[in-house]
Parts: sequence; structure tokens; C-alpha cells
Amino acid sequence: DQQVKQNSPSLSVQEGRISILNCDYTNSMFDYFLWYKKYPAEGPTFLISISSIKDKNEDGRFTVFLNKSAKHLSLHIVPSQPGDSAVYFCAARHSGGSNYKLTFGKGTLLTVNP
Amino acid sequence: NAGVTQTPKFQVLKTGQSMTLQCAQDMNHEYMSWYRQDPGMGLRLIHYSVGAGITDQGEVPNGYNVSRSTTEDFPLRLLSAAPSQTSVYFCATTGGLSYNEQFFGPGTRLTVL
Repeated sequence: DQQVKQNSPSLSVQEGRISILNCDYTNSMFDYFLWYKKYPAEGPTFLISISSIKDKNEDGRFTVFLNKSAKHLSLHIVPSQPGDSAVYFCAARHSGGSNYKLTFGKGTLLTVNP
Repeated sequence: NAGVTQTPKFQVLKTGQSMTLQCAQDMNHEYMSWYRQDPGMGLRLIHYSVGAGITDQGEVPNGYNVSRSTTEDFPLRLLSAAPSQTSVYFCATTGGLSYNEQFFGPGTRLTVL
């Protein structure tokens, strides 16, 4: 049973436009959510996170929105740049757990076209 | 400050062989984890450690062994390699002021024939 779902395997956008990556979760005990970016042949790198007590967190071009009632979060990248092309993983932490025990989605490949 | 290092980068094994994937960190983080990434599967937790001498199982521990004798090192052992263990393996650490995120190593790509 997949508890963190990224239903879009891939997304293609034009440079300068907005990229929206979506993530759904089923476990209501998740209390902290993270987004990681991964380039080929490299390890994932932390991008941005949000606690379940918030509905928005912003860091430069990256904003994460959380809708707890819908068990849905999204990552917005504005404006998108070719260097943003990578696989993006959504991850969740169980309440009372720790960040060494994350549950990951399958990832979405973002391609930003010049 | 190298962060998280993993060796080897690539490895090819025959079924039944054993080997150890190495992971080392110089960030003095107390928590370390091993994940595997398979196509279309995301990252899945194999084993983790909350400190030297303390390890526990994650989501997919079968066929793997770990130990944590020092804060810096967290090796992952494949006891008898199987083709189903063909994957990319990532080591990750967290702790201290960086408690809210995990830092990942560059990965080891393992092929079992």
C-alpha cells in the first residue's frame, strides 16, 4: 500500500513558466513533509519542507502548499529554469517518528525546456 | 568537509556472492539510514541507526545486514546477493542542527547477475 503518491511520472514546462508538482498521502499520522531534488548519478538533495501545522512555506522560487483535509501537497517553482530539470521526490515523516525514517513517493521527472 | 561518502560507485556481483557497501559521514550526525532506489519505486528504507551500537530494520530489510560501531561509519552487507538486489543504494544522515532534513550520499549502483 503506497502511502505517498506522486501520480505524474513526468512533467514538461517552458522556461519562465510555473511548474507544479503534486503529491498525495494516505496516512493521517504524517506530520512533516519534504521535497527532494535528484539529478542523474547523484544523491537526492533537500529542497524544501513543511510542517503539518502550516499550509504554506516559501523559499525563493520554491513554494510548498499543504492541504491537510485533502491530504495533498504541491510544490510550485516560479519561474522555472532549465537547471530545475530533475526528478522530484515527495517524502513524509510519521508523527512521533524521525527524519531518518522517511516514506518517499515514486518521483516526478521535471523537464524545463529553454 | 566531504559530507556523506559512499564506496564503491559501481559494483557487479554474481548471485550468491557477498559484499559490503561502505558509507561514511563527517558531519557528526547521530542518525544514519540506508535506502534503495528501484525504477518506478522511489526510495525505500532498508535499515537505519540512531547512534553507535543501535540499528533497526526499515521497510525492506531482508537480505541485508548492518552494524554501527562508530558515529562515522554505517556499512551495509549483502549476505548472499540475489538479482532482486540489483538497485541503486543511498546512504543518508541527519542530526544536530540539520535534524529536519536528510543528507544523501552519491549512491552505489549494484548489479547482481
